Amino acid sequence: EVQLVESGGGLVQPGGSLRLSCAVSGFTFNNFEMNWVRQAPGKGLEWLSYITASGITMYYADSVKGRFTISRDNPKNSLFLQMNSLRAEDTAVYYCARSYWGTFDIWGQGTLVTVSS
Amino acid sequence: EIVLTQSPDFQSVTPKEKVTITCRASQSIGTSLHWYQQKPDQSPKLLIKYVSQSISGVPSRFSGSGSGTDFTLTINGLEAEDAAAYYCHQSSRLPATFGQGTKVEIK
Repeated sequence: EVQLVESGGGLVQPGGSLRLSCAVSGFTFNNFEMNWVRQAPGKGLEWLSYITASGITMYYADSVKGRFTISRDNPKNSLFLQMNSLRAEDTAVYYCARSYWGTFDIWGQGTLVTVSS
Repeated sequence: EIVLTQSPDFQSVTPKEKVTITCRASQSIGTSLHWYQQKPDQSPKLLIKYVSQSISGVPSRFSGSGSGTDFTLTINGLEAEDAAAYYCHQSSRLPATFGQGTKVEIK
């Protein structure tokens, strides 16, 4: 079964850091590009970051550029999002999502990040 | 960045009715437009890709059309299980963007 399972969310103070993980199973991870997408409470979807299958090239939304870093460990079938300098407006459910011919065809269940003092 | 504007924001519909949701792009995106369904407390699910291409396992009552800047998602014969938020997404150029969503409620 194809599965993406996020972890690492939680409560963090403004200015703090958090590292999210996405464990992948059921498909050949190193063949696929991956993304992080978030959803603030009661709001819509916001794409954050993309990484190529090899992990060499990354792209970021302006809202997180310079603060968030996407990475992957292909032998360990894992995707990561290092989040620094967190702000209240970063409070959201964070999803990892697989890219497939331009679509986000598989999504994880999400992990909640709350930035509050 | 390419802005996607959906209408309406909210729709309350009787079962078996036809539902039409539109998505307008701020510039031409060809056919790089996809639709997702998100039921309450669930992650989004890919519904239609590249305007009108069906996804395995998605009921045939869901269809899409359009090109360029104007796109439509149609649900022919709404069922109770279709209560959800629907989002369009463009993959024409980065950053990937989504419409603000359309919430469909069952009357």
